[in-house]
Amino acid sequence: DAKTTQPTSMDCAEGRAANLPCNHSTISGNEYVYWYRQIHSQGPQYIIHGLKNNETNEMASLIITEDRKSSTLILPHATLRDTAVYYCIVTYSGGYQKVTFGTGTKLQVIP
Amino acid sequence: EPEVTQTPSHQVTQMGQEVILRCVPISNHLYFYWYRQILGQKVEFLVSFYNNEISEKSEIFDDQFSVERPDGSNFTLKIRSTKLEDSAMYFCASSVLGPRASYEQYFGPGTRLTVT
Repeated sequence: DAKTTQPTSMDCAEGRAANLPCNHSTISGNEYVYWYRQIHSQGPQYIIHGLKNNETNEMASLIITEDRKSSTLILPHATLRDTAVYYCIVTYSGGYQKVTFGTGTKLQVIP
Repeated sequence: EPEVTQTPSHQVTQMGQEVILRCVPISNHLYFYWYRQILGQKVEFLVSFYNNEISEKSEIFDDQFSVERPDGSNFTLKIRSTKLEDSAMYFCASSVLGPRASYEQYFGPGTRLTVT
């Protein structure tokens, strides 16, 4: 799996958009970008994934650059419950493909 | 919404004892996983399981560990002789082929194992 680089921590004001960047310059053509998060002491939670195109679901949007070397997870209106560690993971899509968690970005949403 | 469940939420055991951690994956899922997280550290992959056999295991998953799907709903992780360093949060996860040819994993709430 390609290596990813994320900032260690970020703050975001409640109600504002949280933009979490991820660099994955060695991504290969058939690797996907997945985002998970872990709220303190809970199980990791799947957020969104994409291959080439931008994606949106009820939780977030994922913007992938045209060269696919970086991406941004956007939480459009951050709430206090979005305080968590966010993991950007680049991996092939396969049924028994393990998730390799790095250190992620600790997002603190501030009231 | 379907979810992965795990029991017990907290297990305390003495060193050398056997423990079984239980998971009920989402009902139509076909791929099952165990991960662990030592306090303050990263989530680490232990094992993946498909079609009643292990697909992949990490270096952590040595002979002391085993997994089983004893019936159509449960997925278990057994540690034969626990060590102090097995103290961690253990997460079960499951996945299935999604509509966009993806296999996002859904994680349970975890079992906190404390070995004394």
